[in-house]
Amino acid sequence: DQQVKQNSPSLSVQEGRISILNCDYTNSMFDYFLWYKKYPAEGPTFLISISSIKDKNEDGRFTVFLNKSAKHLSLHIVPSQPGDSAVYFCAASGLVYSGGGADGLTFGKGTHLIIQP
Amino acid sequence: DAGVTQSPTHLIKTRGQQVTLRCSPKSGHDTVSWYQQALGQGPQFIFQYYEEEERQRGNFPDRFSGHQFPNYSSELNVNALLLGDSALYLCASSLAVVSGANVLTFGAGSRLTVL
Repeated sequence: DQQVKQNSPSLSVQEGRISILNCDYTNSMFDYFLWYKKYPAEGPTFLISISSIKDKNEDGRFTVFLNKSAKHLSLHIVPSQPGDSAVYFCAASGLVYSGGGADGLTFGKGTHLIIQP
Repeated sequence: DAGVTQSPTHLIKTRGQQVTLRCSPKSGHDTVSWYQQALGQGPQFIFQYYEEEERQRGNFPDRFSGHQFPNYSSELNVNALLLGDSALYLCASSLAVVSGANVLTFGAGSRLTVL
């Protein structure tokens, strides 16, 4: 039972254009959504997050949109650059765990973004 | 400032053997989580350690166990290895939060191959 779904295994975008990566979730208890980027032979690195009380969060070239009613979020990268070529993971978590730390993240399978020169 | 370091980077074991993977968290972090990433899949949460105790566990059998030491470093142990345990094992550290997203810093992982 996949609670976080990234239905596009790969996406090819021309340099300078907008990249849009999509993510759907099924668990209405999720409160935070995060995007991670992963290069080969490296661990995932945090990109941007959004709380369920917001519908948009922006950080430089990266914007995440959240549509709670549709249980859908998207990551927009504008303009796309060659260094953006990587695997992007959507992840979700619940509230802070009462025992300390925070809820474990549930990841999607990832989307491989390829920026064409 | 060193990030999350994991060892070994690669290892090969045979079915039925046991393996121990090690992780040093990023400086200043007190919480360590372990994830398993099979080929073509996203990372899957195994468990999380905070204050030397297992605080939360994902859907993994008891063959997977762990430990956190007073210096916050951690070990992941897997007993009675199966072929299906072949994966990249990612360690992630974070600072315990009272609210907000669980922003993790990941290591590069330990690639385990079970033959």
